[in-house]
Amino acid sequence: GNSVTQMEGPVTLSEEAFLTINCTYTATGYPSLFWYVQYPGEGLQLLLKATKADDKGSNKGFEATYRKETTSFHLEKGSVQVSDSAVYFCALPSGGTSYGKLTFGQGTILTVHP
Amino acid sequence: KAGVTQTPRYLIKTRGQQVTLSCSPISGHRSVSWYQQTPGQGLQFLFEYFSETQRNKGNFPGRFSGRQFSNSRSEMNVSTLELGDSALYLCASSRPGLAVYHEQFFGPGTRLTVL
Repeated sequence: GNSVTQMEGPVTLSEEAFLTINCTYTATGYPSLFWYVQYPGEGLQLLLKATKADDKGSNKGFEATYRKETTSFHLEKGSVQVSDSAVYFCALPSGGTSYGKLTFGQGTILTVHP
Repeated sequence: KAGVTQTPRYLIKTRGQQVTLSCSPISGHRSVSWYQQTPGQGLQFLFEYFSETQRNKGNFPGRFSGRQFSNSRSEMNVSTLELGDSALYLCASSRPGLAVYHEQFFGPGTRLTVL
């Protein structure tokens, strides 16, 4: 099945710093790719997605580009805020007939200091 | 449109007991998936239901079971609880009839603590 390797953290940044969280995948074909975010004490929220190669997903200042050449979907933000402190997960469908199953990376804990 | 809701939000049980968790998907979503999240194992897939049928199951023991009702609401049950079952249980729903791998929308989770 499909798999994802995510840069593990934790990542600690100062407010307004640039953020990159690396995500690479192994997949059959070109599945949709997702970034989810989990704030303390909450469930997962879909942050952004890309459904085909070269697509750029964006939301709340975060961006990620679906790059098939490097099988990557790195998450970036130009200027982080304290409120961005959370755990970030890269994910993709597990593949084959694996209905309703997403495969997630291990998660990256981001802490932003004022 | 209301999001995915899960009840209860917090639960404390003792070893050997059983527990039932409930999930109400977004209106119109017929697929419901369940995940277990722990610090050590991360997010692990439990099972998925669509139109009251279990279509997919993860690698969990038979103590973990689920079902889906005609209104798409889903429940999962864990019998003979073990300490290692302490986790955040997340439910996710997705839209019907489209690609198998559509995006999923998650609820806030049920935090289960087994003492």
